[in-house]
Amino acid sequence: QVQLQESGPGLVKPSQTLSLTCTVSGDSVSSESYYWSWIRQPAGKGLEWIGRIYNSESTIYNPSLKSRVTISVDTAKNQFSLKLISVTAADTAVYYCAREGIVVVDAFEIWGQGTMLTVSS
Amino acid sequence: DIQMTQSPSSVSASVGDRVTITCRASQGVSSWLAWYQQKPGKAPKLLIYTASSLQSGVPSRFSGSGSGTDFTLTISSLQPEDFATYYCQQTNYFPRTFGQGTKVELK
Repeated sequence: QVQLQESGPGLVKPSQTLSLTCTVSGDSVSSESYYWSWIRQPAGKGLEWIGRIYNSESTIYNPSLKSRVTISVDTAKNQFSLKLISVTAADTAVYYCAREGIVVVDAFEIWGQGTMLTVSS
Repeated sequence: DIQMTQSPSSVSASVGDRVTITCRASQGVSSWLAWYQQKPGKAPKLLIYTASSLQSGVPSRFSGSGSGTDFTLTISSLQPEDFATYYCQQTNYFPRTFGQGTKVELK
């Protein structure tokens, strides 16, 4: 059974860098059958796709965040990570990692439980 | 970006009711449309992909239809566990975009 688990600091100060990690079990982040994505949701609001990584190196980002975002993979730990620089209060949200299918299920088929990130001094 | 607009924003319904939620894309996305269910404090759960394909394990009372710009999610007979917020999402263009959500509430 494939599971995703986010981890992160919980609280980050404005202008600092946010780093989140998604640990994957039951599958490989190097798999060529899936994309590995980050999605966020401010409290009481809708979902925003941040970006994804494929085959450990190919990335696509939301243009609204592209200048501040990096998604990378650690194949040894079977994790993928999100780095967001110069955070502001607007980045406060629950952050989800998700697996997106390519061939059969072209959607976010498996999600982590989410990690809350608050930007505050 | 492709704008996804759901209607209604909320719906009040009773157990056993038939509920229909509409999603409109600002431009055609073919059949590249997914539906998710989200309960408070939980991650979204995939219900439907490619507009009408039922995700494994999802009850058959959920169904999806449509193509191009107009899509619907139908719950044929609402069950107590179906009270939640539902989101559509287009999977045809970057960036991936979601609707604003439709909350299904108890009447």
